[in-house]
Amino acid sequence: GQNIDQPTEMTATEGAIVQINCTYQTSGFNGLFWYQQHAGEAPTFLSYNVLDGLEEKGRFSSFLSRSKGYSYLLLKELQMKDSASYLCAVMDSNYQLIWGAGTKLIIKP
Amino acid sequence: DAMVIQNPRYQVTQFGKPVTLSCSQTLNHNVMYWYQQKSSQAPKLLFHYYDKDFNNEADTPDNFQSRRPNTSFCFLDIRSPGLGDAAMYLCATQVERGSSYEQYFGPGTRLTVT
Repeated sequence: GQNIDQPTEMTATEGAIVQINCTYQTSGFNGLFWYQQHAGEAPTFLSYNVLDGLEEKGRFSSFLSRSKGYSYLLLKELQMKDSASYLCAVMDSNYQLIWGAGTKLIIKP
Repeated sequence: DAMVIQNPRYQVTQFGKPVTLSCSQTLNHNVMYWYQQKSSQAPKLLFHYYDKDFNNEADTPDNFQSRRPNTSFCFLDIRSPGLGDAAMYLCATQVERGSSYEQYFGPGTRLTVT
């Protein structure tokens, strides 16, 4: 079966760094997406990785290791507005997104 | 400027009363998706279109149907809503850009069934 695992909830302090992990087992791989979703709102695209390595976009970076079926999202200089759910999704061989349940990130002052 | 627009943003319907949700996009993306998302859960894919080719997921209930009359518009019809269909319905578009993909979600329609 297809499976995406990520922690249910994480807590971090404003100004700090947090790493949200995602492991996956899917039928085929055509890239991994990270989304941010605030409560009651639609997901917002953050990043797409299809090759191994680190992609940096401002305060957010995303890493992929295809051999390990592993990705992480790194958030630096955390701000209160970063409190949200972060969803990992893998595009399978049929170009469909397989979604994780999301990690709720709580930022404390 | 909004690129993926969903109407209405909030919809209340009665048990068993048909409802139609709409989505439009100004991006000219060839792929469109309908997702259902319940609280604290991952989005669940209901339908997707690649251009006009329609695909429904194997576990999408027959109660749900979709139409895409042209590139810009897509509709989700719920023929006989049940209490379990109360959820956020998300429309998304996707386009391939070289070796990468761009995806955009609409703001969603929150459906309440009374």
